[in-house]
Amino acid sequence: AQSVTQLGSHVSVSEGALVLLRCNYSSSVPPYLFWYVQYPNQGLQLLLKYTTGATLVKGINGFEAEFKKSETSFHLTKPSAHMSDAAEYFCAVSEERNAGNMLTFGGGTRLMVKP
Amino acid sequence: DAGVTQSPTHLIKTRGQQVTLRCSPKSGHDTVSWYQQALGQGPQFIFQYYEEEERQRGNFPDRFSGHQFPNYSSELNVNALLLGDSALYLCASSLGGPTNTEAFFGQGTRLTVV
Repeated sequence: AQSVTQLGSHVSVSEGALVLLRCNYSSSVPPYLFWYVQYPNQGLQLLLKYTTGATLVKGINGFEAEFKKSETSFHLTKPSAHMSDAAEYFCAVSEERNAGNMLTFGGGTRLMVKP
Repeated sequence: DAGVTQSPTHLIKTRGQQVTLRCSPKSGHDTVSWYQQALGQGPQFIFQYYEEEERQRGNFPDRFSGHQFPNYSSELNVNALLLGDSALYLCASSLGGPTNTEAFFGQGTRLTVV
C-alpha cells in the first residue's frame, strides 16, 4: 500500500525566505508524485508532478521539487516566499501512470508567510 | 472552459438523512473521482467512475455510492448520514487513457451533518 508523510503540519517563513516543505512516501512500485496547493474555501490546484525522467521538477509560481528515490522523498522548495504563497500544501502519490487513478495524499502542511 | 463544477457548494443535513452531491467534469474529460476531506486532513479517495462504471474504490462503507451518466457527469450519494461524514467533498476529473497524468479538482461541496 502507498502512503505519504508530510513533516510539519505548520511551517512559518518570512517573506523573501526559502520555503521548504517536506514529503516522504512509501510505494511498492515506482511512484508518480504530485504537489497540490489549496487556498481557503477552494479546491486543489496542481503545482507540479513527477512521473518519469528528470528528477528535478519545476512547477508553477516558482516552486520546484526533487525526487530522491534513495530517500523516498519529494520535498517542495521555493527560493523566495511571497505573501500570496500562504496556503495549504498537499503531497500525493499514485502508483498508476494516470493521475485519474487513486491519489493518496499526505496530511498537508499549512504555510504561513510573515511580512 | 468551465473546469470542474460541483453543486451545491454548501449543504446541511441531519443525521440519518441521505444526500446527493453532483459533479460536472472538465470539458473533454471522461473520468471522475471523488474524495472526502475532513477538517484539517488531506483528501481521501472514495471511488472513481469511468465509462459509467465504478473502476476503483477506497476504504469507504457501502453507504457511499455513486453514478456516472453518459455525459460523464457524476453523483455521489451518502445514505444514513453520520456526524463523521461532515467534510469537504471534492470531485476530480481526468482523461481515462494512459497518457494523461493530471487530475483537475472542483471547489468542493461542504457537507455539515447535525
